[in-house]
Amino acid sequence: QKEVEQNSGPLSVPEGAIASLNCTYSDRVSQSFFWYRQYSGKSPELIMSIYSNGDKEDGRFTAQLNKASQYVSLLIRDSQPSDSATYLCAGGANAGGTSYGKLTFGQGTILTVHP
Amino acid sequence: DADVTQTPRNRITKTGKRIMLECSQTKGHDRMYWYRQDPGLGLRLIYYSFDVKDINKGEISDGYSVSRQAQAKFSLSLESAIPNQTALYFCATSAGTGNANYGYTFGSGTRLTVV
Repeated sequence: QKEVEQNSGPLSVPEGAIASLNCTYSDRVSQSFFWYRQYSGKSPELIMSIYSNGDKEDGRFTAQLNKASQYVSLLIRDSQPSDSATYLCAGGANAGGTSYGKLTFGQGTILTVHP
Repeated sequence: DADVTQTPRNRITKTGKRIMLECSQTKGHDRMYWYRQDPGLGLRLIYYSFDVKDINKGEISDGYSVSRQAQAKFSLSLESAIPNQTALYFCATSAGTGNANYGYTFGSGTRLTVV
């Protein structure tokens, strides 16, 4: 199993809908999780971080973490065409492991929001 | 000015040439990273450094070397470039300490083409 795996997409939603992006992870990256947005040809931009079970909301974005099921998701409410981008899920290694301090990235999901 | 600056932004080089990609940051972060991004493969870690005297190989370090000249500067070298090193390269920094993981701040990237 890859350490961090995202649903392959691409995902297309109409403007105003909820976009749901999902990510699963292995035991080696279960400490902290991050969602990045990357526009074509640009660098990734951090939009959400989540460290504990449950939901974390920031504006139109909600990150959800379920450690028992080893998945993390990102919901985008009231999707806009400007949300069209690649979304990267990243996980941080377990505390005490030799890989701490590094993030492992999923392969990304392309989201298109059409008017 | 950007918090994390990469130079050059674009570079075309010939097979066998030596090339250096430079990264400097004004974030005051101790941790710095070099990743490459290829279509369908996501972001893969080349090298990382937690302080000036700490350099570590990532998952794809073969063919690359790095130098941490100061807390703010971390350079990536390709000693003898080959075409499959054509990719988008990102430098990133992180404020993480100890076992904590924090999100990265990415530079704007260097698009490298080896012909």
